[in-house]
Amino acid sequence: KQEVTQIPAALSVPEGENLVLNCSFTDSAIYNLQWFRQDPGKGLTSLLLIQSSQREQTSGRLNASLDKSSGRSTLYIAASQPGDSATYLCAAPSGGTSYGKLTFGQGTILTVHP
Amino acid sequence: NAGVTQTPKFRVLKTGQSMTLLCAQDMNHEYMYWYRQDPGMGLRLIHYSVGEGTTAKGEVPDGYNVSRLKKQNFLLGLESAAPSQTSVYFCASSYGPAAEEKLFFGSGTQLSVL
Repeated sequence: KQEVTQIPAALSVPEGENLVLNCSFTDSAIYNLQWFRQDPGKGLTSLLLIQSSQREQTSGRLNASLDKSSGRSTLYIAASQPGDSATYLCAAPSGGTSYGKLTFGQGTILTVHP
Repeated sequence: NAGVTQTPKFRVLKTGQSMTLLCAQDMNHEYMYWYRQDPGMGLRLIHYSVGEGTTAKGEVPDGYNVSRLKKQNFLLGLESAAPSQTSVYFCASSYGPAAEEKLFFGSGTQLSVL
């Protein structure tokens, strides 16, 4: 059974700081790993999808890495802004399922203050 | 683009009442999912569909039924609502299996069962 853990549960940083969010998973037989953003009262928005054959994926100020052997992924946010404040969730598939059931972490609540 | 649209956004039910949540997507996606999100439990898969006319059980299917009569629509039904079904419900869709493709989420339905 896939288990996904995110550390820290909450993070508060001043604007401009570079930061790292961590995600660990127990079943390394995964095709990919996804990072999502959720704003209060809203649905999830997919930020990055890292294929198992890749080690990194970048989108603007976001960079996600994936290390299957250690069961870890990190989301790096450069030059953080107040608009980055949200909950960030990672999700990993459970191996062996045809539709690829996703297991979500509990999320990291990020607050970037001016 | 509308993406994934959920109706209604809010609903209050009394125990024993029934209701249907509607999810519509305009991206021609094959796969559709219903999740519930609860504090401390994260996102859990209720039911999913891999194409028009198909449905399957997820992690927490008890008390819910679904139908996918048209490719663009995925309905979630509660036959006899219970307080334990108080939650935020999210619909999602993807072009291919969640293990391989990005998921697109609706904005959610806040359901309270009294």
